[in-house]
Amino acid sequence: ETGVTQTPRHLVMGMTNKKSLKCEQHLGHNAMYWYKQSAKKPLELMFVYSLEERVENNSVPSRFSPECPNSSHLFLHLHTLQPEDSALYLCASSRNPQETQYFGPGTRLLVL
Amino acid sequence: GQNIDQPTEMTATEGAIVQINCTYQTSGFNGLFWYQQHAGEAPTFLSYNVLDGLEEKGRFSSFLSRSKGYSYLLLKELQMKDSASYLCAESGSARQLTFGSGTQLTVLP
Repeated sequence: ETGVTQTPRHLVMGMTNKKSLKCEQHLGHNAMYWYKQSAKKPLELMFVYSLEERVENNSVPSRFSPECPNSSHLFLHLHTLQPEDSALYLCASSRNPQETQYFGPGTRLLVL
Repeated sequence: GQNIDQPTEMTATEGAIVQINCTYQTSGFNGLFWYQQHAGEAPTFLSYNVLDGLEEKGRFSSFLSRSKGYSYLLLKELQMKDSASYLCAESGSARQLTFGSGTQLTVLP
């Protein structure tokens, strides 16, 4: 199933680097999401976009900056991250908010 | 999340039946999802319950009791490939899903 794709799959970055994660969905959905998944912890919702407008921002530090240029693409811009930001970052999409979400394969991020 | 409670780990034998329970807070409830996540992979959708009762889909069934804030996922005829983490998620009034920490299921031969 390649309805939701993410690049890169793996990323190692230093605390002073700037990088971006990319997500693309081919399902014709109107809502897209960024989640953080750390070991032994539940999925944490970071951002929600519906029809390209941000509708949720769950107290995420400003070193994470999302961008949604259209309904098929979602980016997460990263700068001056901390080692505790190392995690699996998952993108998901759904037809509308509250409907079934379909996840991408994730980006495994390591911050040194 | 803090509103979702499910066991951390379970072990079962190949060919057996296992039930994974999930409890959630009932205020603002809009639906209950179950996802399967294999190690190193994305969560994949298994089931969605919004009304009370049992939804059956092949070897997997999901049950919901809205008044009790309770759901379970039932896996029959367990196979080795069913070893994975099973995530319970509640859809609430905030138009977002709140996930539990997941139940790591190990299927033994």
